[in-house]
Amino acid sequence: QKEVEQNSGPLSVPEGAIASLNCTYSDRGSQSFFWYRQYSGKSPELIMFIYSNGDKEDGRFTAQLNKASQYVSLLIRDSQPSDSATYLCAVNYSGTYKYIFGTGTRLKVLA
Amino acid sequence: GAVVSQHPSRVICKSGTSVKIECRSLDFQATTMFWYRQFPKQSLMLMATSNEGSKATYEQGVEKDKFLINHASLTLSTLTVTSAHPEDSSFYICSASGGITDTQYFGPGTRLTVL
Repeated sequence: QKEVEQNSGPLSVPEGAIASLNCTYSDRGSQSFFWYRQYSGKSPELIMFIYSNGDKEDGRFTAQLNKASQYVSLLIRDSQPSDSATYLCAVNYSGTYKYIFGTGTRLKVLA
Repeated sequence: GAVVSQHPSRVICKSGTSVKIECRSLDFQATTMFWYRQFPKQSLMLMATSNEGSKATYEQGVEKDKFLINHASLTLSTLTVTSAHPEDSSFYICSASGGITDTQYFGPGTRLTVL
């Protein structure tokens, strides 16, 4: 069974620090990896996606993918209280358009 | 770009009635749309996947006769909750993907309360 695992948290970091969120997945056939942010009571919004091994940067966010170790991470630099939310990792497998979602990590950025 | 809308954003209905939720991709053609349900403090649960012009594919345990999905065009999918009951109260979210990437863009969600 294909699985995506995340630590549920909460992960608490002080304002201005780097928040590091991790996600592991079970199936080596995984092709695409996504990070979404979900505020309480709202729907998920796309932060970024990554397809290839290595780092991908977009503003304060960096996604890191290591297919050999089957993990993907999201770094948030200069964390702000407005970054406090649940971060969902999603994995798409070859041959299907469906995502497998992790249960999400709740991030708290303390002012 | 990649904007998905949902209507209504919130609906309250009596037990036994049917509720229709619309999902539209506003600035791209969505070849595939997805319907999710989320209960409080839980993760997203995929209900079904729909492709334009074909029948929806439902996930195991989701009643296809209760949750009717129609994907009539490349920009519109509808979910009808038939004979709604209080246990159907939840946050229903659609997403859409299209083009050459498999990225899903989510609508703002519909909060359904069945009395």
